[in-house]
Order: sequence, then C-alpha cells, then structure tokens
Amino acid sequence: DAGVIQSPRHEVTEMGQEVTLRCKPISGHNSLFWYRQTMMRGLELLIYFNNNVPIDDSGMPEDRFSAKMPNASFSTLKIQPSEPRDSAVYFCASSEQRTATQYFGPGTRLLVL
Amino acid sequence: DAKTTQPNSMESNEEEPVHLPCNHSTISGTDYIHWYRQLPSQGPEYVIHGLTSNVNNRMASLAIAEDRKSSTLILHRATLRDAAVYYCILRYSGGGADGLTFGKGTHLIIQP
Repeated sequence: DAGVIQSPRHEVTEMGQEVTLRCKPISGHNSLFWYRQTMMRGLELLIYFNNNVPIDDSGMPEDRFSAKMPNASFSTLKIQPSEPRDSAVYFCASSEQRTATQYFGPGTRLLVL
Repeated sequence: DAKTTQPNSMESNEEEPVHLPCNHSTISGTDYIHWYRQLPSQGPEYVIHGLTSNVNNRMASLAIAEDRKSSTLILHRATLRDAAVYYCILRYSGGGADGLTFGKGTHLIIQP
C-alpha cells in the first residue's frame, strides 16, 4: 500500500494567494483528518470527515480555510486568501472507521511570504 | 479528551531500554491509551495502544498502572532511529472515529 499521499510536499506562495493542498487516503479507509503543525501551537486537528461527510470543523481557524472530500479517495484543504501566519506543516491522515489507528501522510510544508 | 502529562525530553543510550512515562490521572473507564511518535520531518506514526492490560507489539511495550492513572511506553532496545517525539494520547472508546488531541510529547534523544 502506498500509504496516505499528499501533494504538494512543499509550497511557497505570497500573501493573498489561494493555496490548495491535496490528500489521497489509504484505500478502504472511511475517515480522513486534516492537521496543522506549528512550533507555537504543535499539532492541531483542523477538520475530519467520515464517509466523505465533514463531521467536526471546529478546528478550522477561520473562514479563509475550507475543506472538501468529493469522493472516498480525494480531499482538499484550501486557504483563500493566504496569510503569513498560515505557514505551517499540514498533515492528512486516514483511518478505518472501526479502529482508532490513524495513518499520516508525509505532510505539506507551506510558507506564505 | 482527558489530559496527559509527559516529560519534555529524555535522553538514553543506543541499545539500552527506554521507559517513557505518561500521567493521566483524569482518565475515564472508557479511555484507551494511545502512543504515537513523530520522527524528524515526518508525519506521526502509531506505536501502540491499550486499555487495562499490558500490551506488546513489534515496536514497543505498553505498561499500564493498575489504577490506570499512568502508563509507560517501553522501547526494549533503542536505536538511533527511535529518536523522535513521543505522544501519549487518550482516546474515548465510545465509538466512531474522531481526531487526535496531541500534547507537547516527549522528545527522546538517543546517544550513540
């Protein structure tokens, strides 16, 4: 199995630009999670989906952030407009609904100038 | 999720056992104890989990106190590749998948 796939691995953009991060979960997994990691705040859950439906988006910082899961094999996290404080590593994870084990992707390192 | 407390950092020598402690005095009866670790520049990875009994797998062992207010992750023979941040996380077992709440974890340093 290829594991959780994230793209791009690195993204550098300018303030005000739209950023789209992509995630392909492990085949057969029903749950998908987006996390953000910064030095100041550590690892934080942003949003998660069960069976492609958003369940809890209370961790999404503000309206500039949006996430979608149009099908079981693809999800996006979009930031529009981006700001320097959004600079972080964004991780996607997936799991089978019945088990608690989450499998993380390699992350997308975002730098907003 | 209930709160966990871990030392900020620990240091050990290569090929020696490592005992990583975690306190969770407010744990409820339905909380599982999970451990994840994050190697440098990688995403977190699952290590082990348990409820009441001690657990062993190929990566580590988990020793859970009888009152469940603390637990210890045991790496039997640490290698340089075990240098990582180790997170102790409590997960409600009431059903359904939900997000993980990460604390600051323990930064494990392995000396050659």
